[in-house]
Amino acid sequence: DAGVIQSPRHEVTEMGQEVTLRCKPISGHNSLFWYRQTMMRGLELLIYFNNNVPIDDSGMPEDRFSAKMPNASFSTLKIQPSEPRDSAVYFCASSLKGSSYNSPLHFGNGTRLTVT
Amino acid sequence: AQSVTQLDSHVSVSEGTPVLLRCNYSSSYSPSLFWYVQHPNKGLQLLLKYTSAATLVKGINGFEAEFKKSETSFHLTKPSAHMSDAAEYFCVVSDRNSNYQLIWGAGTKLIIKP
Repeated sequence: DAGVIQSPRHEVTEMGQEVTLRCKPISGHNSLFWYRQTMMRGLELLIYFNNNVPIDDSGMPEDRFSAKMPNASFSTLKIQPSEPRDSAVYFCASSLKGSSYNSPLHFGNGTRLTVT
Repeated sequence: AQSVTQLDSHVSVSEGTPVLLRCNYSSSYSPSLFWYVQHPNKGLQLLLKYTSAATLVKGINGFEAEFKKSETSFHLTKPSAHMSDAAEYFCVVSDRNSNYQLIWGAGTKLIIKP
């Protein structure tokens, strides 16, 4: 089991550029989560997919952020245009069941985004 | 409403001494409780979870936690700290009313002194 795979590990970009973060969940998991982690705000849930369908995107900061899950093995988080305040570590996580009530999350190693 | 309070932002212990990381929660329903660990520049890894079975839960790397309903606590302990335990630890709660939402504590940074 390769675990949750995220790419790239690091991304440095200039303000105004488009950024795409990628995630491959664990095979067989049907729930996928995107989180953002900063020193100031800690871990924030951005969006949650169940069976490739976005269930709750209320955590997405604004229209500049969008996420897709075209199939069970791939998801993207896009920021367009990026701003310095988007600098953070973005984590993707997956779990086996639709509800995380009992199901633990399996996290990728994250993408560290720096917007200058 | 659910909430999680990790009472210490930093805990410093000497190698070989016991570790105690404190967590208090509030939940309207029978909760599930988790501890996750995050090593520097890594993702979060599940240490252990409580889901209404035995109240003393054993996890990986020698950690354990005890669910105490009367005290609404789920403190994480380890008898003897190792240098490799230096990391940030997160206490998390969810219940059947929250569906997919996990409520995360602010984290406790564990520092191990040689």
